[in-house]
Amino acid sequence: NAGVTQTPKFQVLKTGQSMTLQCAQDMNHEYMSWYRQDPGMGLRLIHYSVGAGITDQGEVPNGYNVSRSTTEDFPLRLLSAAPSQTSVYFCATNPRPIPHNSPLHFGNGTRLTVT
Amino acid sequence: KNEVEQSPQNLTAQEGEFITINCSYSVGISALHWLQQHPGGGIVSLFMLSSGKKKHGRLIATINIQEKHSSLHITASHPRDSAVYICAVKYGGSQGNLIFGKGTKLSVKP
Repeated sequence: NAGVTQTPKFQVLKTGQSMTLQCAQDMNHEYMSWYRQDPGMGLRLIHYSVGAGITDQGEVPNGYNVSRSTTEDFPLRLLSAAPSQTSVYFCATNPRPIPHNSPLHFGNGTRLTVT
Repeated sequence: KNEVEQSPQNLTAQEGEFITINCSYSVGISALHWLQQHPGGGIVSLFMLSSGKKKHGRLIATINIQEKHSSLHITASHPRDSAVYICAVKYGGSQGNLIFGKGTKLSVKP
């Protein structure tokens, strides 16, 4: 099993460009989520999904879109990148919505720079 | 606002030392997670607990519900323990999402 796979690992965008960060999992987990990690701050939730066809906003959703058409995939779309979106992005999954007694599984992260 | 406070922010230890990292939260929670982020950036889950104490190898996590406090202990520390340790909590009533602390950066010198 690959676990949680994030692509790409690194990306540089110009302001105004769009892109999609990919997250795929092969563990049949219900819960998938996207976080951003910025210096001096804790991980902050962008969007999450508790199952195929269901998504909801987290703490910092502005500028990002998501969809969950399958259990396996949860892409994060930046429609018009801004320098404030320079960050490290993590996808995380859980077998069932937290706080069931199971750990979070993280992807390896995507380092995004917007110039 | 529900927050998670970790201390210390940075910690340097000599190999073999006993290490304690602390996590405090503000109101009642239903679960607390300890995570480890390696220098390469990957994040792994160490523990999830809602009461008492858990142990895995040289790592021990405790939680005191009344004092709203959790500790992560590392016994016989080793340079490979160097990482950022992150505490995260799920507050009761929230929609299953976690609030994360800023992390404690641990450096263990040989």
